[in-house]
Amino acid sequence: SQQGEEDPQALSIQEGENATMNCSYKTSINNLQWYRQNSGRGLVHLILIRSNEREKHSGRLRVTLDTSKKSSSLLITASRAADTASYFCATDATGYSTLTFGKGTMLLVSP
Amino acid sequence: GAVVSQHPSRVICKSGTSVKIECRSLDFQATTMFWYRQFPKQSLMLMATSNEGSKATYEQGVEKDKFLINHASLTLSTLTVTSAHPEDSSFYICSARDPGQNNEKLFFGSGTQLSVL
Repeated sequence: SQQGEEDPQALSIQEGENATMNCSYKTSINNLQWYRQNSGRGLVHLILIRSNEREKHSGRLRVTLDTSKKSSSLLITASRAADTASYFCATDATGYSTLTFGKGTMLLVSP
Repeated sequence: GAVVSQHPSRVICKSGTSVKIECRSLDFQATTMFWYRQFPKQSLMLMATSNEGSKATYEQGVEKDKFLINHASLTLSTLTVTSAHPEDSSFYICSARDPGQNNEKLFFGSGTQLSVL
């Protein structure tokens, strides 16, 4: 069964705006990861946050993790049209188990 | 970063035929590879875990005889969709972890769009 649930399912913004996507999960985790998928392509790893971390940054990406609420958020700042893609969170229960993917958020950034 | 190559990227076949999809780790050795299936605008559904030199582990509800997985070397796993039918039409993606990068994140192939007529 799916572990993560992202919201919103779809997000449409203008270039330059920030995009925030949320992910909730059900069981304890070792880490949570965010992936990006361009239409008709494979997924690309964006960022990993461990269960003992609360926030992590990578370029224009900022990820937060609240293990008490079993939720995470991905913030993309100063979005660009090239950020248009689907974004998935994935949870890893043990650190080397199979990842369980959420349903994803489709982000559309208009020029 | 680690590279996973998947071929073909797109295949159209007639109902009843078999289709083989290859997944290769190009610059690392992968004892384990993962096969996912994805329907349009849906999430990834794990089908099976491919283990080098041993039998694959299939997820509940996935037919082993329908989706044959072979992991004969540390850099190649294949998924064969046998006697394909239109309902098998989907996007299939493979992935693997790179032991040299702590085995944490997954590296994905570019996917195979299968259309069964």
